This record gives sequence, structure tokens and C-alpha cells, in this order.
Amino acid sequence: EPEVTQTPSHQVTQMGQEVILRCVPISNHLYFYWYRQILGQKVEFLVSFYNNEISEKSEIFDDQFSVERPDGSNFTLKIRSTKLEDSAMYFCASRIQGPGGYTFGSGTRLTVV
Amino acid sequence: DAKTTQPPSMDCAEGRAANLPCNHSTISGNEYVYWYRQIHSQGPQYIIHGLKNNETNEMASLIITEDRKSSTLILPHATLRDTAVYYCIALFSGGYNKLIFGAGTRLAVHP
Repeated sequence: EPEVTQTPSHQVTQMGQEVILRCVPISNHLYFYWYRQILGQKVEFLVSFYNNEISEKSEIFDDQFSVERPDGSNFTLKIRSTKLEDSAMYFCASRIQGPGGYTFGSGTRLTVV
Repeated sequence: DAKTTQPPSMDCAEGRAANLPCNHSTISGNEYVYWYRQIHSQGPQYIIHGLKNNETNEMASLIITEDRKSSTLILPHATLRDTAVYYCIALFSGGYNKLIFGAGTRLAVHP
């Protein structure tokens, strides 16, 4: 069964450093998403991406965040200057056009120290 | 997207059917009902979705009332591995619409 692949599974970074979280969506999917989940809290929407541009972003997705699909297969989330409160699980998701299910990756646990 | 209401927690004995309810009284005619679950801190896992007809797949059945104001997810023979948080989400399935997760129902399956 096709999967959404995320790397790394766990990343530890120092406050103020830049991190890039990587995702390989399912190959024929058209819509891409990033979500995050702070420990013990809900899964929160960050951003959706379609046709090589951001289609919607939440209030959480401020100027320190950016997304890119550099080569037609990878989908990345960059956090420019990490803060302690960015510590969370980050999930990538993708879906095909139409009412099909959204497929999530297994996540990257980001720890900012 | 319509708001959904789920009980915060439920218990189920292993081998029995787990019936998870969801209210979505303000759902519109073109909104689907999606069910996802999250086992521990893993990524949310798609279970099933439907518009107005009942649906069944290898994981579960989805029963939607005729007025579409509520639905029930049925896990026919729950196992310990079905212990998870289950999310019911109403969503217009067009374009780049995103899933919005609430608190869900924490299902505990016990021996």
C-alpha cells in the first residue's frame, strides 16, 4: 500500500537554529499538507499546498515557516529560527483529487532545546 | 465545515463490537463524514468516509442516519490494537480542503 514517508523520525535542534522536515507524498497525489501536534494536544493544521503554491495556511504558520516542493517528489517544511514552543510532532499528509482519504506520514518528532 | 460532537471516551471488551457515535447536526448536503484514528503518537490513519449511504471496508462500517445528522463507526470485533483516539470529521471534499481535528473519542479496548 502506498505510504507517505517522513524523515527524520526524530530531530533535536538548538533554539534559533533552522530545521527542514522532509516528506515524500504518494506519487499521484495532488494536495499536500503539514500538521503539527504538541504533546497531549490536538492535531493542528498548518498549511495546504497545491499546484506548487500555498493554498491555505493557519495562524500558526507565520513568517518563520515555509514550504517547498523542490523537485516534484519531496515536500519540505522549513522552520527558520526554532523556538522552544515549536517542539511537537509534525505530520505530512497528501491526497488525490476527489473525496478520497488523506494519507498521513508517521511524523517527525521535533525537539527544540 | 460542520462541527462534530463525540463522547470523550469509551470502553470496549476485546472481541466485541465497538460503536462510536458522532453528531453532526449542521452538516450540509455536500459534506462527507470522515473517520480517522490515531494510535498513540502515530500519524492519523484513515478509516472510512461516506456521504449518505452506509459504507463498509476491511476496517470498519459507517452507518449514517437518514437525516445525516449523526453517524456511527462500527469496529465489528475490536482488538487491543484498536485502542486509539477516533476522530469524526465533516468535510466538503473539494479542492484543497483540510481536515480539522477535534478532541475525538478515546477508545480503550480491554481484555
